[in-house]
Amino acid sequence: DAGVIQSPRHEVTEMGQEVTLRCKPISGHNSLFWYRQTMMRGLELLIYFNNNVPIDDSGMPEDRFSAKMPNASFSTLKIQPSEPRDSAVYFCASSPGAERQHFGDGTRLSIL
Amino acid sequence: DQQVKQNSPSLSVQEGRISILNCDYTNSMFDYFLWYKKYPAEGPTFLISISSIKDKNEDGRFTVFLNKSAKHLSLHIVPSQPGDSAVYFCAAMRRFTSGTYKYIFGTGTRLKVLA
Repeated sequence: DAGVIQSPRHEVTEMGQEVTLRCKPISGHNSLFWYRQTMMRGLELLIYFNNNVPIDDSGMPEDRFSAKMPNASFSTLKIQPSEPRDSAVYFCASSPGAERQHFGDGTRLSIL
Repeated sequence: DQQVKQNSPSLSVQEGRISILNCDYTNSMFDYFLWYKKYPAEGPTFLISISSIKDKNEDGRFTVFLNKSAKHLSLHIVPSQPGDSAVYFCAAMRRFTSGTYKYIFGTGTRLKVLA
């Protein structure tokens, strides 16, 4: 049974470049979450989708961040233009309901 | 404004002893609390949860206690094993009448179990 799949696992790019992170949730899960992990703030919820519709994007830090979920099996988180302070580990998670979430292994993003 | 706080960034415990990880929250409207465990280079995995209407939930070596009056929950691991060494995140969930919900995670506590 495949878990949540994120790609790429690592991304190193220069400031100003566009970054796209990808996520494939577990089949049948109707909620999808994007998180950012930093030392100072722990796991921050950026946005969550329910049935492919964005429900809460209050955690998206700036207009440079955008997320889409064109269908039930795919979501992207895009940063354009990227800045060094965006460097973090980004996690995608999915869940079949309100409680337990299943996380991917994350994308470690470094902006130089 | 950190609504879910884990004030101890790290904890070391001897193998076989009890590990107690603490979490404080500020919003009395949370409906559910969860603990996740995270190993390096992996995503967090669900460990145990508790509804706000309960004060204790136990699953094997793991027990979560909820003290609503103090807005405090704790995770007890007995006995601690070296494989328990990981970062533990506390999370709180609030469900809205619209059917949507809000999750807030703490900053994590790194547990090291010494052999």
